[in-house]
Amino acid sequence: DGGITQSPKYLFRKEGQNVTLSCEQNLNHDAMYWYRQDPGQGLRLIYYSQIVNDFQKGDIAEGYSVSREKKESFPLTVTSAQKNPTAFYLCASSTQLTGDYGYTFGSGTRLTVV
Amino acid sequence: DAKTTQPNSMESNEEEPVHLPCNHSTISGTDYIHWYRQLPSQGPEYVIHGLTSNVNNRMASLAIAEDRKSSTLILHRATLRDAAVYYCILRDNYNQGGKLIFGQGTELSVKP
Repeated sequence: DGGITQSPKYLFRKEGQNVTLSCEQNLNHDAMYWYRQDPGQGLRLIYYSQIVNDFQKGDIAEGYSVSREKKESFPLTVTSAQKNPTAFYLCASSTQLTGDYGYTFGSGTRLTVV
Repeated sequence: DAKTTQPNSMESNEEEPVHLPCNHSTISGTDYIHWYRQLPSQGPEYVIHGLTSNVNNRMASLAIAEDRKSSTLILHRATLRDAAVYYCILRDNYNQGGKLIFGQGTELSVKP
């Protein structure tokens, strides 16, 4: 079955450490997105990529980095420069064609800084 | 980015219809209206989307005002599993990378 997989489901990080969240899709979607969600809040866009080897900053990119070396993969690195990284991170993908059928989201990674 | 306005919360009784409103007075001609819902600790789930005409699928119906400045998501018979946060979002497929910009959404509770 096609879908989008995020791993790990839970992640604990010590302050000052970088950590990478994985996102893989087998939907043949061109575009991929990373969102952050804080408790009781909506989703905020961190980075997005419309095509391999290209990506753009979203609304809250500071302290994060991404790469898009393969169509299927869009990993997110939370760096030590991110002041408050504890949050629920969601990855999504979509086609870039008009008349699309929306985004497909992963099940999320909950990151906690200890 | 065009913005949407939704009520913070709504209540419904099980097996009754639910009408979730959304205002988007600054919508542009290329904006699609998308609806997603999110259960606690899960990723959002696509519900429905439309451009100008009303849309129906197995999950819900979307009624779009003639001037496109508002829309309503209709759940025909609410079940307990429909309790979630519902997001109304405008997506510009031609510009801005087709980004979805989420607002606060409407938290729907369903009473048995």
